Amino acid sequence: AQKITQTQPGMFVQEKEAVTLDCTYDTSDPSYGLFWYKQPSSGEMIFLIYQGSYDQQNATEGRYSLNFQKARKSANLVISASQLGDSAMYFCAMRVYSGGGADGLTFGKGTHLIIQP
Amino acid sequence: DSGVTQTPKHLITATGQRVTLRCSPRSGDLSVYWYQQSLDQGLQFLIQYYNGEERAKGNILERFSAQQFPDLHSELNLSSLELGDSALYFCASSQTANSGNTIYFGEGSWLTVV
Repeated sequence: AQKITQTQPGMFVQEKEAVTLDCTYDTSDPSYGLFWYKQPSSGEMIFLIYQGSYDQQNATEGRYSLNFQKARKSANLVISASQLGDSAMYFCAMRVYSGGGADGLTFGKGTHLIIQP
Repeated sequence: DSGVTQTPKHLITATGQRVTLRCSPRSGDLSVYWYQQSLDQGLQFLIQYYNGEERAKGNILERFSAQQFPDLHSELNLSSLELGDSALYFCASSQTANSGNTIYFGEGSWLTVV
C-alpha cells in the first residue's frame, strides 16, 4: 500500500521568503507519479506540479519546484518568493502505475501554510 | 478555472436521503475520478471511470455508486445518507486512465447531512 507523509501540520513564513514543504512517500512500485495541490480556504483543489519517478530532472512550474530525492523517497515542494496569496493548505499526493493500470491518488494530510506580511 | 465542472456546489439533506452529484470533465479528458474530503478521513479516492467503464475502486461505500455516461460526464450517487457522509466531494479528470502528469480537480460539492 502507498503512503504519503507530510510532517508539517502548519508553517508560518514571512512574505518574499522561500518555503519548503516536506513530503515523503512509501511505495514498492518502481513507476509512480508525485503531485502537489494547493487548497485555498474557498475549498478548490489547484494542481501545482508533477514529478514522474523516471524523470531525470526536478520539475519546475513558475515559482514552484519539486525537490525530488528518489533514494530518500522525498518530494518536497519549494515555493520561491512567497506571496500572501500562497496562504493555503498544500497536499502532496502519489499515484502508482502498475500492470497497465493506475491507482487513484493517495494524499498526505496536508500542510497549512500561512504567509505573513 | 480547472475546466472540471461540478454541480451542485452546496447541498443540505437529511439522513436517509439520496443525492446525486454531477461532474463534467475537462474537454478532451476521458477519465473521471471521485474523491471525498472529510475532517476525520482526509482526502480519499472513491472511484475512477475511463471512457464509460470503471477502472479503479478505492474506499467507496456500498451505499455509494457512480457511473460515466457516453458524453463522458459522471454522476456520484449517495444513498441512505448518514451524518458521517457530510464532506466535500471532488470530481477530477485526466486525459488518460493510467498515465499522464495532470489530474485536474473541480471546485467540489459541499454535502451537509443533517
